[in-house]
Amino acid sequence: SQKIEQNSEALNIQEGKTATLTCNYTNYSPAYLQWYRQDPGRGPVFLLLIRENEKEKRKERLKVTFDTTLKQSLFHITASQPADSATYLCALDNNDMRFGAGTRLTVKP
Amino acid sequence: DAGVIQSPRHEVTEMGQEVTLRCKPISGHNSLFWYRQTMMRGLELLIYFNNNVPIDDSGMPEDRFSAKMPNASFSTLKIQPSEPRDSAVYFCASSFSGSGNTIYFGEGSWLTVV
Repeated sequence: SQKIEQNSEALNIQEGKTATLTCNYTNYSPAYLQWYRQDPGRGPVFLLLIRENEKEKRKERLKVTFDTTLKQSLFHITASQPADSATYLCALDNNDMRFGAGTRLTVKP
Repeated sequence: DAGVIQSPRHEVTEMGQEVTLRCKPISGHNSLFWYRQTMMRGLELLIYFNNNVPIDDSGMPEDRFSAKMPNASFSTLKIQPSEPRDSAVYFCASSFSGSGNTIYFGEGSWLTVV
C-alpha cells in the first residue's frame, strides 16, 4: 500500500540551528514533491516544490532535496527562528495531492 | 482574490444529523480537493474534482459521505447521518489541474459531532 512517512511527530531545536525534516514514501512515483507549512487553526500554506529530476531546491533559508532512488525528501531550515515554529507537511503530487502526517517543529529562543 | 472560502467555520451537531460543508474555490482554478484532518490520521484526501467531475473518491470513508460540484465555483461535502467519529477539521483546496501546481487551502470547517 502507499505510504508517506514524516520522520517524527515533533522536533525541538534551538534558535539559530538548522532544522532537518524527513519525508519518506513507498509505492509512489511522484512527478513532484511539495512542502507546506501549517500554523495552528489554519490551512496549510505552500512553501516549495521540487521536481523528480531536480536534486535540490532553495528558497531563502529553506532547502529541499529529493532522492527518487531512496524515495526520500529532506527539508532544511537554516538559521532557524522562533517564528519558524509550525507543522510542516510533505505532499506527493501525481495529479492528486497526498500528504504526510506532518512534523511539528518548535524553535526555542 | 479572496482565496478558498469555506463555510461554516465551526459546527457542532448531534449524532444522526445531516451536515453540509460548503466551499468556493479560487476563481479560475479547475481542480478542487476535500481533505479531512485529525490528530490520529493526519491530512487525508477524501475526494478531488477536475473540471467539476469527481476523479478519485477512494478516500471517502463510507456511504454516509458524499460530495458534489455542480459548477466551477461551488462544492459541497455532505455527511448523513453524522457520527461522533466524523469530528475533524475538513479542508477544501483548489488549484489549476495537473501536476506541479500549488494547491491553496481554505481555513477549514471545524466539525464536532456529539
